[in-house]
Amino acid sequence: GQQVMQIPQYQHVQEGEDFTTYCNSSTTLSNIQWYKQRPGGHPVFLIQLVKSGEVKKQKRLTFQFGEAKKNSSLHITATQTTDVGTYFCAGLLIQGAQKLVFGQGTRLTINP
Amino acid sequence: SAVISQKPSRDICQRGTSLTIQCQVDSQVTMMFWYRQQPGQSLTLIATANQGSEATYESGFVIDKFPISRPNLTFSTLTVSNMSPEDSSIYLCSPTTGLTEAFFGQGTRLTVV
Repeated sequence: GQQVMQIPQYQHVQEGEDFTTYCNSSTTLSNIQWYKQRPGGHPVFLIQLVKSGEVKKQKRLTFQFGEAKKNSSLHITATQTTDVGTYFCAGLLIQGAQKLVFGQGTRLTINP
Repeated sequence: SAVISQKPSRDICQRGTSLTIQCQVDSQVTMMFWYRQQPGQSLTLIATANQGSEATYESGFVIDKFPISRPNLTFSTLTVSNMSPEDSSIYLCSPTTGLTEAFFGQGTRLTVV
């Protein structure tokens, strides 16, 4: 079935270092969404990317959607301890049932 | 965004029993998605529930094991039937009126012993 692959599975950084997580789909996506899940919490929506090549920024977070609408990335500049959590991408398929397909998630831990 | 109330927040259940999880939304929503999140894993869609019709189940999930009710546009339940330790997971409801973004209930952390 349709899969959205996300890497890395885990990332540990020193506070102040940058962090990037990548998602790749085998098929073209209608849009891609990013979520953050804090330990013990539920996923919280961060952003949605719709257009080919789109780039959006939220403070220290930069989100990109590839030209072919098959891949995406989330980059955090100068991580802070509040960035700890698991980041999920979720792709909305163009064809078939209207549902989100979640990547495996990248768990970010930060050494203060 | 809608206010979502999911109950119970957690439970410890004996194997062979069933647990019904409730999801209440403060506004009408078109679709209700139910997800399972096993420890340290991603979200896996169990089924999609629309009012007035049977839920649509994903591969690997069946109605006898995970019956779903959707009596109106603000409420849904998911039952985990005849539980085994392998059913220990977090279960999340996700009501939606469209596909711009997903909102989630607080989750039900289920432990089967």
